Parts: sequence; C-alpha cells; structure tokens
Amino acid sequence: QVQLQESGPGLVKPSGTLSLTCAVSYGSISSSYWWSWVRQPPGKGLEWIGEIYHSGSTNYNPSLKSRVTISIDKSKNQFSLRLSSVTAADTAVYYCARGRVPVTTWGQGTLVTVSS
Amino acid sequence: EIVLTQSPGTLSLSPGERATLSCRASQNISSSYLAWYHQKPGQAPRLLIYGASTRAIGIPNRFSGSGSGTDFALTISRLEPEDFAVYYCQQYAGSPPLTFGGGTKVEIK
Repeated sequence: QVQLQESGPGLVKPSGTLSLTCAVSYGSISSSYWWSWVRQPPGKGLEWIGEIYHSGSTNYNPSLKSRVTISIDKSKNQFSLRLSSVTAADTAVYYCARGRVPVTTWGQGTLVTVSS
Repeated sequence: EIVLTQSPGTLSLSPGERATLSCRASQNISSSYLAWYHQKPGQAPRLLIYGASTRAIGIPNRFSGSGSGTDFALTISRLEPEDFAVYYCQQYAGSPPLTFGGGTKVEIK
C-alpha cells in the first residue's frame, strides 16, 4: 500500500520560501494519479494548494498561484512544494496526498510555522 | 470557484443516534467528483465516500452518501464512539481550484 512522507523545515522566516518534499513509498510516482498538496491552518479547515501529474502538468489554487511551484522528481520517486514570500498566514500543517477527488492516500502532515 | 457550504457547523449527538450532514455547492457539480472525509485530532483526513455515494475500502456500511446537483448528504446510521470527528466534503468541477467545505464537527452530547 502506497505511503507518503513529508519532510522539510518546520520553521520559516517571514518573506522566506517554504520548501517541502513528499517521498512516495510502495508505489510509483509515475502511476496514473495526480499528486497534491493540501494545507490546514491550526484549528481551521482544509485548503487545496495544487497538484502535479507525472507528465509534469500542474494546477494551482488561484489564490496562491503567484507564489507556488510544485515539481516532481521521478528518479527519486518524490514531489515537492515551494511557497515563496511567506507570512504568518501560511502557518499550517502541510499534507501531501495522492489523488484528486477522491484523495485516496494522505501523508501524516508536517507543521510549518512562519515566524522570525 | 465553487464554494461548498457544510451544515450544521457542529452536531451534538449520542452514540447510537443517526447523524445527517449536509454539503451544498454554489453551482451544480458532477456526483462523480464529490467526496467525504473525516478527520480526528492530530490525524490526516481519511476518505469515507467518493462519487457521492460509493464507500471507500474498509468503510463500514453505517456510512452512506447521497445527493446530486448542488445538494449532497452524508448519513451515519448509528454513531459509534470512533465516529466523533470533523467531516469534510470535497469537490472538483473540472477546473481548479478543487475545494473543501468548511467542515462539520460531530461531537458527543
């Protein structure tokens, strides 16, 4: 059964860039799924950030599009998120996920705090 | 952007009772692209229902989904202790963004 694991810094300074990687285990990132990032601010609901297909095709949430880049590394079986110009409002648990609707598999999530 | 409105915000019920959660879309959406999840504190969401009414693998049959167009519902026929959680609906209408509802918390009365 496919497993996803997020990794990256837990603390990012304001105006900096948030960078996270999602390692895919027990499955191929080249399979026919969209690979997504979803975030959840503390005590709040879920927000879709964007997605990537193994072809490299991407879709982003228009509210974040100017600051987001999602990329894929098939040689390492992983995909990544970069979010630039972060503020305190970007503090959240960030989940990587497999699928679009539905999302069938979620990573455990990683808390990223934006603070000086 | 399609907005999903979930109601009620909080549902206070006792184990064994029936729960009915609503998810209303701001525009018609295809039932094929409507899903439900629940999330317990400190955990990632878990898929319950996709295609508006199909239970995911391993989901007990006390969970059922229904609806079409703009109005969808999740029903839990008899609440078990492990069902007390936050429930989210999700949609994709063919173009970004994919959106989630604001959630319904099912709490123990």
